[in-house]
Amino acid sequence: DTGVSQDPRHKITKRGQNVTFRCDPISEHNRLYWYRQTLGQGPEFLTYFQNEAQLEKSRLLSDRFSAERPKGSFSTLEIQRTEQGDSAMYLCASSLSVTDTQYFGPGTRLTVL
Amino acid sequence: KQEVTQIPAALSVPEGENLVLNCSFTDSAIYNLQWFRQDPGKGLTSLLLIQSSQREQTSGRLNASLDKSSGRSTLYIAASQPGDSATYLCAPYSGAGSYQLTFGKGTKLSVIP
Repeated sequence: DTGVSQDPRHKITKRGQNVTFRCDPISEHNRLYWYRQTLGQGPEFLTYFQNEAQLEKSRLLSDRFSAERPKGSFSTLEIQRTEQGDSAMYLCASSLSVTDTQYFGPGTRLTVL
Repeated sequence: KQEVTQIPAALSVPEGENLVLNCSFTDSAIYNLQWFRQDPGKGLTSLLLIQSSQREQTSGRLNASLDKSSGRSTLYIAASQPGDSATYLCAPYSGAGSYQLTFGKGTKLSVIP
């Protein structure tokens, strides 16, 4: 069990550029979650996958955001036309079932200049 | 909509002291509640998951209690150590068609050697 991994750990981009983040969950976990955390706040839910199906999306997930989980393994989160307000830590978590412990990755810190 | 409040926002204690962190939530119809710690700039580490049918859960020097009817949980840390310095977050899971954890802003703990 290597834990949840995220790549990259840090991303600096200019406003208007597109960015993509990757999350690799714990291997036997078929539930995967994305959260966003800004400074001084707790994480806020973005979206949830059960296997390859995206079953829930937060209103925070505007049309500039898209998430995928092909084949129910790793997941990607893409932000198009980034804005300064997108600067945050993007966290991925996985679990065995929805009522089980969610295990978080180290996060990807996005800075939009 | 679930709302989570954590008090105090920050706490500074001398090493060796026992301490209690408080978490309150508005929707008492929860399946479980998780406590996490977060070190600066890092992801979340799961500490304890307490099921709605449980009143307490223990792991080492940590003890979490849950009073679902009053919408409260506490995290008790015994014999605090400088390595316990971190932000502690609680997150109830409500179910009811949603898969997200709802987080408070956390309590920032500093343990002074």
